[in-house]
Amino acid sequence: DAGITQSPRYKITETGRQVTLMCHQTWSHSYMFWYRQDLGHGLRLIYYSAAADITDKGEVPDGYVVSRSKTENFPLTLESATRSQTSVYFCASSESGDSPLHFGNGTRLTVT
Amino acid sequence: SQKIEQNSEALNIQEGKTATLTCNYTNYSPAYLQWYRQDPGRGPVFLLLIRENEKEKRKERLKVTFDTTLKQSLFHITASQPADSATYLCARVNQAGTALIFGKGTTLSVSS
Repeated sequence: DAGITQSPRYKITETGRQVTLMCHQTWSHSYMFWYRQDLGHGLRLIYYSAAADITDKGEVPDGYVVSRSKTENFPLTLESATRSQTSVYFCASSESGDSPLHFGNGTRLTVT
Repeated sequence: SQKIEQNSEALNIQEGKTATLTCNYTNYSPAYLQWYRQDPGRGPVFLLLIRENEKEKRKERLKVTFDTTLKQSLFHITASQPADSATYLCARVNQAGTALIFGKGTTLSVSS
């Protein structure tokens, strides 16, 4: 089935560790996005990508790294996890920058 | 900066009534606004998009308005049902037209 899949669904890691959250979409959408959702802040854009090998910073990019070597995949890496990065992370895709977004069901990350 | 605000964190109404949610934006008028629904533990799901030159848009029991003078969008659910209980998010496109900026959401509870 076509869709957008995030893995893992839940992750617990320790401060200082590197962790990668995966995102895969089957629509061949050009645009992909990473948001984090926190109580009191709502959804905040971390990074986005307009096409393979093109990425751009969003509102809260510090401490995160992304890559887009293939159109269908957009992994998000926390290079050295901090407690402030405890959050729910959502990946999304869209046909173009102004099209509706299709979201995955999120990864709940806890940094201890 | 490009802000978007949903003034009410929570809205409680009785079944059968019309729910009205408010979204306000600052600075320039975005080319369009989008509304999403989010259920607990799930990613947001797209509902409606309304463009700057459209005053009103409808989809079944949903209606969205866009007032560029007031810098406001209203989201209405008529004949509300308990199944409409969810968090509703509005979003504006950024100035580059490449990504969405979300409000914090309004959690609607419809009681029977």
